[in-house]
Parts: sequence; structure tokens; C-alpha cells
Amino acid sequence: ETGVTQSPTHLIKTRGQQVTLRCSSQSGHNTVSWYQQALGQGPQFIFQYYREEENGRGNFPPRFSGLQFPNYSSELNVNALELDDSALYLCASSFSRALQGTGYTFGSGTRLTVV
Amino acid sequence: AQSVSQHNHHVILSEAASLELGCNYSYGGTVNLFWYVQYPGQHLQLLLKYFSGDPLVKGIKGFEAEFIKSKFSFNLRKPSVQWSDTAEYFCAVSPGGRGNYQLIWGAGTKLIIKP
Repeated sequence: ETGVTQSPTHLIKTRGQQVTLRCSSQSGHNTVSWYQQALGQGPQFIFQYYREEENGRGNFPPRFSGLQFPNYSSELNVNALELDDSALYLCASSFSRALQGTGYTFGSGTRLTVV
Repeated sequence: AQSVSQHNHHVILSEAASLELGCNYSYGGTVNLFWYVQYPGQHLQLLLKYFSGDPLVKGIKGFEAEFIKSKFSFNLRKPSVQWSDTAEYFCAVSPGGRGNYQLIWGAGTKLIIKP
């Protein structure tokens, strides 16, 4: 098993800029979910991608968007960054859209700081 | 709105003490329940999960959790903790049925075990 790999591990952006975060899913997994974890809080669901299409979305504005590629890796894009976007962004891959079975495998996250 | 509450943000115990971490959720329908752990410097890992059947679930490293439907609770227990159990513990809930692709998380409990 290769696990879930996220890049970069840390980055600093200026308010108003755009950012792209990347995630390579675990071998054999076809679904990627993204979560935002603000300091001192639990993760919040952003969206999920299954076979290159968005399968579900949490309460995040449209400036949060994503992609999934044929190899099941994924990107999270955030436009017009705001200070409140500062958080740890977690990627999780799974064998299916539903959470039965093995559930998620998480990456270590990307720490985004917006100044 | 659905939510998950973890009663304690910080818990400090001595080795060999018994542990119980509280978790309550607000959702009236069928739920799937999870406990995740994050050891210092590592990614989130699944401790145990409940989907159906025996409400007493056993997980890795001697942890167990009991689902009490009438109390909307899924408390995590361990009879005797070790220094290596120092970590942050998250309770998470997934709505059953068509919404079961996302997790709703508690804010986490930081557990420190004194040697």
C-alpha cells in the first residue's frame, strides 16, 4: 500500500490569491474526499469525487472547486483566498463512495496559511 | 443541523488508568459511527467503527466503544491506558442511506498520558 500523499505540506498565500492542493489516492481506491480542519476543530467535509465527478458537497462556497483525474488523484482549488481559509486541508481516499468496509485512508494534510 | 459533541477537549491520565471519552451526536436516522485517532506527527487513523449488529465494538490497540441508540452516544473506552495512547481522538458520524459518503466530526479530545 502506498497510502495517501498530499502536496505541498505547507504553504503561505496572500488574501485574494488562488491555490491548488494535490492528493494522490491509495492504490486501489477510486474515491477522494476533501476536508478542511480549522485550528481546534474537527474536519469539515468539503466535497467528494468519485470516478472524476463530484459526488457530494458540504457547505462551502463555489470558490472551492475540485478535480479528479483518471488515475483517481485529485486537486482542490480555492479562489479568492480569505483569511478564514487558513486551515489544514485533508484528503482521504476510499474504495467506494459509501463509508462501509474499510472507510477512509487519510493523508497527512496541507497546512495553508492566508496572510 | 447534524452535529457531533465530544465532552472533553483535554484529558490527562496516568498510565494504567481507565479511559472513557464521551461522544454524542444529533441525528435521528440511521447512522454509522467512527472513532479516529491522530498520534503526534501522524495522519488520522481509524480506531473502530460501528455500522450495525452488536453495539459493543472492539477496535485496535485494546479500544472499544458502545453505541447506545437511546442516548445518541458512542463513547470510547479503554480499561488501562499506556503512554503510547497519547494522541488526539475524534468521534465522527456518517448519516446512513444516501448521505453516507461524508463524515461529521466532533472537535476532538486531546489525551495526554503521564508515564
